[in-house]
Amino acid sequence: GDSVTQMEGPVTLSEEAFLTINCTYTATGYPSLFWYVQYPGEGLQLLLKATKADDKGSNKGFEATYRKETTSFHLEKGSVQVSDSAVYFCALSDQGFQKLVFGTGTRLLVSP
Amino acid sequence: DVKVTQSSRYLVKRTGEKVFLECVQDMDHENMFWYRQDPGLGLRLIYFSYDVKMKEKGDIPEGYSVSREKKERFSLILESASTNQTSMYLCASSLWQNTEAFFGQGTRLTVV
Repeated sequence: GDSVTQMEGPVTLSEEAFLTINCTYTATGYPSLFWYVQYPGEGLQLLLKATKADDKGSNKGFEATYRKETTSFHLEKGSVQVSDSAVYFCALSDQGFQKLVFGTGTRLLVSP
Repeated sequence: DVKVTQSSRYLVKRTGEKVFLECVQDMDHENMFWYRQDPGLGLRLIYFSYDVKMKEKGDIPEGYSVSREKKERFSLILESASTNQTSMYLCASSLWQNTEAFFGQGTRLTVV
């Protein structure tokens, strides 16, 4: 079945460092791809999405490009802030009932 | 502002009790979902519903049931709670034509 693999955490960075969190997927058909973020004590919020190959999703300085040839959707940010500390989940939605399949999550810790 | 509301943030129940987790959305969404979140395992789908009175099993339905009598409300039922059901439970909803999911804040359930 469909699956999402993302890098293990935690990822520990200093403020203003460059961030990459890797995400690869396995799916039949042409899924939509998402990054969700979970801040401490909260539910998940959509960060960005891409619905077809070569689309770039972006929000709050974060970007990810839907790469069909490498089945990847890596999350990047040029300069992280302490407030970006959270758990990041990569996900895909199948084209049937639109249920989301999640990766295991990557915790990001940003220090001043 | 879109809203998914879960009835409790924290619950403590005894082994063998019947437990109800309630979720309400105010966005007139067709789809609703129940996930559980465990460290190292990410989010796993328990059940979902794409219409009133309709339900589909997710990846880990054993020990759970659901009810959707009204479009805005989706209940998760633990028929006889066990300690291995101690977890964070997240409810989500999405439009039929839009795969973005909106999440509640989660219910942390402890079964003792």
